Amino acid sequence: QKEVEQDPGPLSVPEGAIVSLNCTYSNSAFQYFMWYRQYSRKGPELLMYTYSSGNKEDGRFTAQVDKSSKYISLFIRDSQPSDSATYLCAAMKTSYDKVIFGPGTSLSVIP
Amino acid sequence: GAGVSQSPSNKVTEKGKDVELRCDPISGHTALYWYRQSLGQGLEFLIYFQGNSAPDKSGLPSDRFSAERTGGSVSTLTIQRTQQEDSAVYLCASSPEGGPYSTDTQYFGPGTRLTVL
Repeated sequence: QKEVEQDPGPLSVPEGAIVSLNCTYSNSAFQYFMWYRQYSRKGPELLMYTYSSGNKEDGRFTAQVDKSSKYISLFIRDSQPSDSATYLCAAMKTSYDKVIFGPGTSLSVIP
Repeated sequence: GAGVSQSPSNKVTEKGKDVELRCDPISGHTALYWYRQSLGQGLEFLIYFQGNSAPDKSGLPSDRFSAERTGGSVSTLTIQRTQQEDSAVYLCASSPEGGPYSTDTQYFGPGTRLTVL
């Protein structure tokens, strides 16, 4: 079993829709959770990170962590075609530990 | 300013040949990371450098893989006697400072797509 799992998609939504991207993880020691966005033929870029459970909002993006169910989510409001990319969730136990990445979910936002 | 650059962008090689992949981090960044990304597999950590030293090489898949960093800047990942399972995108990232795997933002390069025939 991989430590961080996510549905690879592809996920296709119309422009303006609310997108929900989800990951599950198996290691209860994980405390830091990140979301990266990766455009085709580019390296990933860090979108958001959260520590422990709770919500974090940044513009149209909201990251949510539920440690009790080992579930992490990224919500994108008013999705735009420019949001079309692969979204990678990631986790680590401490800030001095390896980052463990999920396989990524491919998202297409259709104009 | 300039971001992380990697070369070559694409490399096709024959099984058994050696390859060298290069990473130029952002100037002044002390931490440098190598990852491998295979289709549907996410990012696999390979090795981390702080300055010129590599405190953690545990992610290197076999002794055919090695990496070095000189002058606290450029890094080279070498794969000897390449195998077909080495085919992947090899990504390099750098970050300004901080802990080895801290949430200090890692800036990724575009990657080198390696194909072993």
